[in-house]
Amino acid sequence: SQKIEQNSEALNIQEGKTATLTCNYTNYSPAYLQWYRQDPGRGPVFLLLIRENEKEKRKERLKVTFDTTLKQSLFHITASQPADSATYLCAPEGGGGNKLTFGTGTQLKVEL
Amino acid sequence: DVKVTQSSRYLVKRTGEKVFLECVQDMDHENMFWYRQDPGLGLRLIYFSYDVKMKEKGDIPEGYSVSREKKERFSLILESASTNQTSMYLCASNLGDRDGSPLHFGNGTRLTVT
Repeated sequence: SQKIEQNSEALNIQEGKTATLTCNYTNYSPAYLQWYRQDPGRGPVFLLLIRENEKEKRKERLKVTFDTTLKQSLFHITASQPADSATYLCAPEGGGGNKLTFGTGTQLKVEL
Repeated sequence: DVKVTQSSRYLVKRTGEKVFLECVQDMDHENMFWYRQDPGLGLRLIYFSYDVKMKEKGDIPEGYSVSREKKERFSLILESASTNQTSMYLCASNLGDRDGSPLHFGNGTRLTVT
């Protein structure tokens, strides 16, 4: 069955550093993958989409890579700020019809 | 601005009660989804709908049903609530005509079944 793995432990980094979050998937080949941010008590908010024929996508301080051979996506936040502290969810396309399958998320804490 | 509104932020119900969770979107989106989110399990898809009066089962439909009588409204129904349905329920919507269309989520309903 499809399986998505994200770092289950929280990632603590210092302000100004680059945060790198990992998403690994197995047993399928998604046509695209999305990343979401979720703050406590709120619904997830869409950040970026990357398609299988794209290696890298950028948006301001965010960068996503998609390696279909390794079955992995990396999510980078450069020059991190305390306001970037949140849980980040990886969501590969899950079998058509705009359905997504979500990972459990990685909590990021950016400290001063 | 795009908006998905869930009728209740918090809900407490008793075992065996029939529970209705309502979701309304104002974006004219074709697709609507119901997820539940539990610690360590992430978001799991319960049901989704591609159009009015259409519904399809997601990964965990047991114990739930849905209704979509109007395009903007998607209801999740717990026919007989049980304690293992205590969870955060999230409604989402997206466009049906574009592959990879982002999901827009409501802020969730935290349901407790006692």
